[in-house]
Amino acid sequence: NAGVTQTPKFQVLKTGQSMTLQCAQDMNHEYMSWYRQDPGMGLRLIHYSVGAGITDQGEVPNGYNVSRSTTEDFPLRLLSAAPSQTSVYFCASSDAGRGSEKLFFGSGTQLSVL
Amino acid sequence: GEDVEQSLFLSVREGDSSVINCTYTDSSSTYLYWYKQEPGAGLQLLTYIFSNMDMKQDQRLTVLLNKKDKHLSLRIADTQTGDSAIYFCAEREGTNAGKSTFGDGTTLTVKP
Repeated sequence: NAGVTQTPKFQVLKTGQSMTLQCAQDMNHEYMSWYRQDPGMGLRLIHYSVGAGITDQGEVPNGYNVSRSTTEDFPLRLLSAAPSQTSVYFCASSDAGRGSEKLFFGSGTQLSVL
Repeated sequence: GEDVEQSLFLSVREGDSSVINCTYTDSSSTYLYWYKQEPGAGLQLLTYIFSNMDMKQDQRLTVLLNKKDKHLSLRIADTQTGDSAIYFCAEREGTNAGKSTFGDGTTLTVKP
């Protein structure tokens, strides 16, 4: 059982480049989220989704886009990377029904923007 | 908006008990969580408590919830060096598990 899978694990970008962070879950979870973790800080919510075709903004959405075309996948797109987006990114998922009290996390993507 | 606060550092000796504290502001929180993050890894759910409970015990872990004061604590009995990690308190907004708010984390250092 793979759980939540994030790719890539590491990425270095130049300012202005674009890229997509991938997140996939195989647990048929309805809820999926993206968080960023900066040194000495907790996780801040970027975007989340309550089901396929539905997304909403979190605390720090600027500079990021998401879409949810399938239940399994929730990619995070950086349209024009900035140094302020250097961070560790975590994807998480949760069931809408039984067991929905638990968030399952991926292992993270470490992104550096030069 | 919602806010979750924790002290940043805690140091204990191996075998002692550790108590990590957390305060939150959202009175509509339904679930409160404790996560553990080891270096270079993602967050791992340790335990959680539903808002209508005062206490939950799970082996060496005891969670206490004071809903009136919006205060949550995690006690680790017989702390081991393997417990050294960052511990995050989090609260969930209503029924939406996809929208949890996290504290900044408490770095627990266990000295032999």
